[in-house]
Amino acid sequence: AQTVTQSQPEMSVQEAETVTLSCTYDTSESDYYLFWYKQPPSRQMILVIRQEAYKQQNATENRFSVNFQKAAKSFSLKISDSQLGDAAMYFCAYRSARSGNTPLVFGKGTRLSVIA
Amino acid sequence: GAVVSQHPSRVICKSGTSVKIECRSLDFQATTMFWYRQFPKQSLMLMATSNEGSKATYEQGVEKDKFLINHASLTLSTLTVTSAHPEDSSFYICSASRGAGSTDTQYFGPGTRLTVL
Repeated sequence: AQTVTQSQPEMSVQEAETVTLSCTYDTSESDYYLFWYKQPPSRQMILVIRQEAYKQQNATENRFSVNFQKAAKSFSLKISDSQLGDAAMYFCAYRSARSGNTPLVFGKGTRLSVIA
Repeated sequence: GAVVSQHPSRVICKSGTSVKIECRSLDFQATTMFWYRQFPKQSLMLMATSNEGSKATYEQGVEKDKFLINHASLTLSTLTVTSAHPEDSSFYICSASRGAGSTDTQYFGPGTRLTVL
C-alpha cells in the first residue's frame, strides 16, 4: 500500500516571503500522480498543483511550484510571495495510475500560517 | 468548472437514528464518486469507492452495513449512516470524477459535518 508522509505539522511564513512544505511518499509503482491540496477554514478541498510521475519537469502554477524528486520519492511544495489567503491546511496526496478510477491517498497535512 | 455539492452541510442527530448525506455532481456526469472521512485536525481517510450502478467498494475497517452507499445515477451518490453513534461524528467529504480512469480529476464537495448526540 502507498503511504504519504508530511513531517511538518505546522509551518509559518511572513507575508511576501517564500515557504517550502515537505512531502515524501512510499510506493512500488512506477507510474502515479502527486497532488497538493489546500483546505482553508471552509473545509473545501482546493487543488493547488498536480504532477505526473512520468514527467521530469516540475509543475508550476503561478506562485506555487513543486520540487519532484522521483528517486528520493520526495514532492515538496514551494509557495512564493506568500499571501494572507494562503493560510490553510495543505495536504500532499498520491494517486495510482493503474487502470480504473483510483482514490487519493493523503498525508496528515501541514498547517500553514501567514504572518502579516 | 466542475461543481460538486453536498447536502446537508451540517447535521445534528440523536444517537440511534440514521442520517443520509447526498453528493451531487452539478454540471457533469460522475462515473465514480469517493467518500472520505475527516476527523478534527486529521487527514482525509477513504471510506469507499462508489461506481454508478454497482455496489460500493469499502476500505478495510469500514462497516458496509453501517455506512450504506448508493450511487443510483451518474450525478448522485448517497451515504447513509445507520444507527449513528457519537463516535460517528465527523466531517464527511465526497469527491467525483467524470471518467473511469486515474487521469480524471477528482472534484471535491464542500463536506458535511455530522454531530451525533
